[in-house]
Amino acid sequence: GAVVSQHPSWVICKSGTSVKIECRSLDFQATTMFWYRQFPKQSLMLMATSNEGSKATYEQGVEKDKFLINHASLTLSTLTVTSAHPEDSSFYICSANIRDERSYEQYFGPGTRLTVT
Amino acid sequence: DAKTTQPTSMDCAEGRAANLPCNHSTISGNEYVYWYRQIHSQGPQYIIHGLKNNETNEMASLIITEDRKSSTLILPHATLRDTAVYYCIVKRSYNNNDMRFGAGTRLTVKP
Repeated sequence: GAVVSQHPSWVICKSGTSVKIECRSLDFQATTMFWYRQFPKQSLMLMATSNEGSKATYEQGVEKDKFLINHASLTLSTLTVTSAHPEDSSFYICSANIRDERSYEQYFGPGTRLTVT
Repeated sequence: DAKTTQPTSMDCAEGRAANLPCNHSTISGNEYVYWYRQIHSQGPQYIIHGLKNNETNEMASLIITEDRKSSTLILPHATLRDTAVYYCIVKRSYNNNDMRFGAGTRLTVKP
C-alpha cells in the first residue's frame, strides 16, 4: 500500500520557538494532504486541508497564522507551529489521498509528537 | 458524511473473534463504510471498507446489514497486538475529502 512518512517522529522545543513538521508521500503523488491533531485520550481532529500549489483550508478554530502549512510539491507538505506554547503539545498526524481506480483512499503518517516546555 | 455510533470500549479474549459494531443509520446510498484502527502513539491504519456487500481481507471481515444502517468489523482471531482504538467512518469514496473521526471503540485483547 501507499506509504506516508513524517519527520521528525518526536520533537521537544522551548516555548516561543517554531517547529516544522514534514509529511511526505513516498511512493505516490498526493494532490491533497490533511493535517490532524490529537490530544491525549481524544480522537483525531482535522486542522487543515492542504492542496499542492494553493493555500491551505483551515478548520474553524484553527489559527492559520500559528499553524503555517506549505504544500510545495506533490510529495511534500509541511506544518510549522509558530511561537509554540505548552498548550500546542500534541500528536500531529498527516495523511494523503490517492486516487485508486474509482475512489480516493486515505493513508496516514506515523505521527509526530510535539512537546513544548 | 453520515455520523456513526460505536461502543466506547470492548474486551476480547486472545484467540477469540472480536466483533466490533457500528451504527450508521443515516448513511446514504453513495457512502462507504470504512474501518481504521489506531494503536497507541501511531497513525491510523486502514483495515477495510465496503459499500453494501460483505468484505474480507487478510486483516478482517466487514459485515454490512442489508439496510446498510449498521455494520460489524470482525477480527477472526484476536491477538494482543490488536489492542487499539477502532474507528468506523462513513464517507463518499469518490469524494476527495478527509476522514472525520469519531470517538471510536477501544478494544482490549486480554490473554
